[in-house]
Amino acid sequence: GNSVTQMEGPVTLSEEAFLTINCTYTATGYPSLFWYVQYPGEGLQLLLKATKADDKGSNKGFEATYRKETTSFHLEKGSVQVSDSAVYFCALSDRGFQKLVFGTGTRLLVSP
Amino acid sequence: DTAVSQTPKYLVTQMGNDKSIKCEQNLGHDTMYWYKQDSKKFLKIMFSYNNKELIINETVPNRFSPKSPDKAHLNLHINSLELGDSAVYFCASSPEQGARSPLHFGNGTRLTVT
Repeated sequence: GNSVTQMEGPVTLSEEAFLTINCTYTATGYPSLFWYVQYPGEGLQLLLKATKADDKGSNKGFEATYRKETTSFHLEKGSVQVSDSAVYFCALSDRGFQKLVFGTGTRLLVSP
Repeated sequence: DTAVSQTPKYLVTQMGNDKSIKCEQNLGHDTMYWYKQDSKKFLKIMFSYNNKELIINETVPNRFSPKSPDKAHLNLHINSLELGDSAVYFCASSPEQGARSPLHFGNGTRLTVT
């Protein structure tokens, strides 16, 4: 079945460092890809998405490019802030877009 | 003016009890979901409803029974609670059926079964 694999965390960075969180997927057909973020004590929020190959999703300084050839959707940010500390989930749409399949989440910790 | 609200936020109960979690959304969305997040943060869909009709039931034990009295509400009732039911349960909604539209999540209900 369709699945998403994310790098294990936690990822620990200093403020203003460059961030990459890896995400690869296995899917039949052409899913849409998403990054969701979960801040402490809150529900998940959509961060960005891409609906077809070579699309780049971006929001709040975060970017991810849908790479069909490598089945990847890595999340990047050029300069992280303490407020970016959260758990990041990669996800894909499954079953004709009936549902989202999430990765296991990657915790990001940013220190001042 | 919370968009998706769940109650209670915390729920501590003993094995064998029956409990309910309530969810309401004021976004006018047609589709609502229940997700379970385990202690390792793994998030898995349990149910989805579209306009009060069950769309997805992901091989969840029948001790779990969702109920949607109207399209703004999706409650989750759990019978005969077990230790393995301890998790954070998230309600979510989206404007239309399927995953093309962003999901809006509630803040979760942390269920602890002792």
